[in-house]
Amino acid sequence: EPEVTQTPSHQVTQMGQEVILRCVPISNHLYFYWYRQILGQKVEFLVSFYNNEISEKSEIFDDQFSVERPDGSNFTLKIRSTKLEDSAMYFCASSLNRDRKYSNQPQHFGDGTRLSIL
Amino acid sequence: EDQVTQSPEALRLQEGESSSLNCSYTVSGLRGLFWYRQDPGKGPEFLFTLYSAGEEKEKERLKATLTKKESFLHITAPKPEDSATYLCAVVNTDKLIFGTGTRLQVFP
Repeated sequence: EPEVTQTPSHQVTQMGQEVILRCVPISNHLYFYWYRQILGQKVEFLVSFYNNEISEKSEIFDDQFSVERPDGSNFTLKIRSTKLEDSAMYFCASSLNRDRKYSNQPQHFGDGTRLSIL
Repeated sequence: EDQVTQSPEALRLQEGESSSLNCSYTVSGLRGLFWYRQDPGKGPEFLFTLYSAGEEKEKERLKATLTKKESFLHITAPKPEDSATYLCAVVNTDKLIFGTGTRLQVFP
């Protein structure tokens, strides 16, 4: 069964450094997402991406964050200058399509990248 | 504001002891309610989508139902391998809004 893959599984970075988290969505999916989960808390939406542009972003997704689909298979999340509070599990997800008027197809998640900021 | 509340926070069951998990939601115009299973250190694994009140979906020992205000995940005769955190989420435009989950432990 096709799956979303994320690398690395664990990233340790010094505060203030840039970090890039990588994802390979399911190949025929068109919509891509990043979520994060701070330890013991809810899964929170960060950003959605469709047709090579951001379609929605949350308040968490400030100027320090950016997303890119550099080629036909990868989807990346960059944090320019990491803070201690960026420590979390970051999940990538993808979905096949979305009927804007009526309903949404399920989002399928990868196993995440654990980001630890020192 | 769209919101999802799950109860109980944690549930311990003996193997074979059936029970239900609750997900209450408030959303402006439901476009889908999703159930996921999350194992420790893993991403949410999709289980079910429900789109309208009265809808039901089944998969092995799990059955999800939906009303206008809540959804239930019924677990019939659970086994230890059903132990996981079960997450409920509603969709608002692009994003999923998750509840905090119910942590289920099934003992042999």
